[in-house]
This record gives sequence, structure tokens and C-alpha cells, in this order.
Amino acid sequence: QVHLQESGPGLVKPSETLSLTCTVSGGSISSDYCLWIRQAPGKGLEWIGYIHYTGSTHYNPSLGSRFTISMDTSKNQFSLRVRSVTGADTAVYYCARSRGHYTYLRFDPWGQGTLVTVSS
Amino acid sequence: QSVLTQPPSVSGAPGQTVTISCTGSSSNIGANYAVHWYQQLPGTAPKLLIYGDNSRPSGIPDRFSASKSGTSASLAITGLQAEDEADYYCQSYDSSLSGFYVFGTGTKVTVL
Repeated sequence: QVHLQESGPGLVKPSETLSLTCTVSGGSISSDYCLWIRQAPGKGLEWIGYIHYTGSTHYNPSLGSRFTISMDTSKNQFSLRVRSVTGADTAVYYCARSRGHYTYLRFDPWGQGTLVTVSS
Repeated sequence: QSVLTQPPSVSGAPGQTVTISCTGSSSNIGANYAVHWYQQLPGTAPKLLIYGDNSRPSGIPDRFSASKSGTSASLAITGLQAEDEADYYCQSYDSSLSGFYVFGTGTKVTVL
């Protein structure tokens, strides 16, 4: 059974860069879409972006250009970097995986999520 | 930027049926892109509940069912149980802009 686990700092200062890693166990990401989703406190879910095992990436066009997703298939990990964070980036960040056609992606499974707070 | 609209809350007594609507537009549900549903129990990560409009992953009880028509989809929970109290989200693909994945606004199900 595939299991995903996010890791990274729980507190980041405004204007700094947030870096998170998702480690996948129980299955290879070599055929997957690897995704990041976030949920601000008390709010709904927001898709951030994905990286395909071929290396192609796609990001939520409403979030701007501060987000970068990368992948290390040798470690079965993928990562998220968010530059110039503000309080609006405070959220629980989830990683997830998917397969299939890009218009049909359903997110399963999800990691447990990691809370990132942006504060000085 | 949720473009799928759900009612903020629905409630029902144990054993009853509740239905959650998910209203989209011609660039997502109306374009016949698949709708998926997730259940988020308090303090936990979302879990896939329904995929491909109306299919259940293994382990999901048949009390959960879904349908889609036009620019809307719906999730039904029959025989409501206390353990069903959670937030529910629909999700689809939207072909506007450069294409992206959209979630519904979320619905809190309360078991009375």
C-alpha cells in the first residue's frame, strides 16, 4: 500500500522560502503525477501544482509564479518550494499522487499533511 | 479560487439520506470532465470517496453514491451514520486559463 509523508519546517518567516518534501513508500513514483494541495486554516482545498514522472510540471494559474515542484525518483521523493512567503501561505500542505489522463486525475492517496505557519 | 459551489452544510438524523450538490460550469463539469469526491474527517487528510463520477474505491461502503448531470454533480449518503460526520469536497478538471484542478467549496455534514 502506497504511503506518503510530508516533511519540512513548521514555521517560516515572511519573505523567506518554504521547502517541503514528500517521501513515498510502498510504490514507485516513476509512473505518477505527484501533486501538492494546501488548505488554509478553516478553509477549503486548493490545488498548487503537479510534476509528472516525465519531469513536466503544471501549476495553478491563479497562484502566480512563486511555486516550484521537483522530483527525485532515485529517492522516491518530490518537493515543493514557495518563494517570498506571506501570511497568506499559512496552511496545511498535503502531497498526493495520481495516475491516468491529466484531465481525469483524482488524488489518491494523500499524505497526512503538514502545517506551515508564516510568521516572524 | 473554488469554481465548484457546494452548500456550506447539510444535516440529517442517523439512518436518513443526505445529498450534497456540486455546481460547476461549462469549463469543468459541463464539459464532461470527471467528478471525484473526498471525505475529510476532523483533523485528518482528505480521502478519496468517489472517483470518475460514480465509482467507489475498494473499502468505501455502498452507502455512498454519486451522480452527474449537466453542469452539476451530487453525492448521496444513505443510512447516515455518526462516523459520516465530516467535510466533503467535490473535485474536477477545469479547462479554462491553462487548465487546472478545482475543488468544491466544501460541505460540512452533521449527524443530528
